[in-house]
Amino acid sequence: IAGITQAPTSQILAAGRRMTLRCTQDMRHNAMYWYRQDLGLGLRLIHYSNTAGTTGKGEVPDGYSVSRANTDDFPLTLASAVPSQTSVYFCASSEGGPLAQYFGPGTRLTVL
Amino acid sequence: GDSVTQMEGPVTLSEEACLTINCTYTATGYPSLFWYVQYPGEGLQLLLKATKADDKGSNKGFEATYRKETTSFHLEKGSVQVSDSAVYFCALSGSNTGNQFYFGTGTSLTVIP
Repeated sequence: IAGITQAPTSQILAAGRRMTLRCTQDMRHNAMYWYRQDLGLGLRLIHYSNTAGTTGKGEVPDGYSVSRANTDDFPLTLASAVPSQTSVYFCASSEGGPLAQYFGPGTRLTVL
Repeated sequence: GDSVTQMEGPVTLSEEACLTINCTYTATGYPSLFWYVQYPGEGLQLLLKATKADDKGSNKGFEATYRKETTSFHLEKGSVQVSDSAVYFCALSGSNTGNQFYFGTGTSLTVIP
């Protein structure tokens, strides 16, 4: 693989269920990010990690959690999904600092 | 706080027309500026970037110049193609933003033959 992969591609989920979106990069980038994309709102940062072992909150962190056990993986967990979390989720990575971010193909999540 | 404001769409152009998508920013310090493109059903791809004032980023016929005096980074292309149909996002990042990215809301471009 080359770049960033995300899984699943899409998912329909019942409200109240727990869900983990997976993200893996093979570029050895230090920093990783999770965004949600909603029509008319652009991309909003959920959580980020500047390096393995550290995480931080973005603009819209409520209802989401992340972990960064190693450089390559950055899973996003919805502990108890709600319909307002219906969105397209993008994972991204960068070498850090103000350098360009590289995006995965996205996960389309629908919470009913 | 830091932010990016870009021209609202949607924009519809005929093939070979000129394109300008306006982007202005608010930031403390000297951020880096980016344009990303999102084709239907795909993630965002870096289109071009500029890291300091007066830098010009260019790629695939698109250009944007970092104008500190007008806090702008407008995207331009002299002759658009149908394959340029996509959503374009302006973004900024810098040490004063904690190196986080701030994206505009996106501008949808449709090019018709």
